[in-house]
Amino acid sequence: QKEVEQDPGPLSVPEGAIVSLNCTYSNSAFQYFMWYRQYSRKGPELLMYTYSSGNKEDGRFTAQVDKSSKYISLFIRDSQPSDSATYLCAMSRSLAGNKLTFGGGTRVLVKP
Amino acid sequence: GAVVSQHPSRVICKSGTSVKIECRSLDFQATTMFWYRQFPKKSLMLMATSNEGSKATYEQGVEKDKFLINHASLTLSTLTVTSAHPEDSSFYICSARYSNYEQYFGPGTRLTVT
Repeated sequence: QKEVEQDPGPLSVPEGAIVSLNCTYSNSAFQYFMWYRQYSRKGPELLMYTYSSGNKEDGRFTAQVDKSSKYISLFIRDSQPSDSATYLCAMSRSLAGNKLTFGGGTRVLVKP
Repeated sequence: GAVVSQHPSRVICKSGTSVKIECRSLDFQATTMFWYRQFPKKSLMLMATSNEGSKATYEQGVEKDKFLINHASLTLSTLTVTSAHPEDSSFYICSARYSNYEQYFGPGTRLTVT
């Protein structure tokens, strides 16, 4: 079993819809949770960062962490075609060293 | 956000040769950089952690004699793939630690070994 599981998609939604992404993980030691966006043939770009359980909102993006269920989510409101990309969740046990464990990524396609 | 560059962006080499990939943090100093490998439609796999002025820490299963890492300054880390073989063909991405929780990634280097 992988440490971090993420549905590969593709997830296709119409423009303006809410995109719902999630990851599950097995290691309860993970404390820090991130979401990255990766366009084709580019490096990942940090979108959201969350520590422990709770919600965090930044513009159209909302990240949720439920440590009791080992489940994290990212919601994108009012999706745009420019949101079409692969979204990767990542997590780490501690800040020291910053070693990240990534999910496999979910490919999202927002259709105009 | 902070900028990390990689050079070259794409390289084709013959089997048995060595290839060097550079990772630079352009507007900040990074004591720690990371090297990842990504296969098509797959996630990033951490290869090694590069610390300025000290030896890199390799992940389990990564051959340190094959993937040589040098972090000679606070803005530059290099990955050298020695005696490259076709199975080394992949997308190599570096990241630089900017703060306690932020890493900024380079645009990646696509290596093709023929």
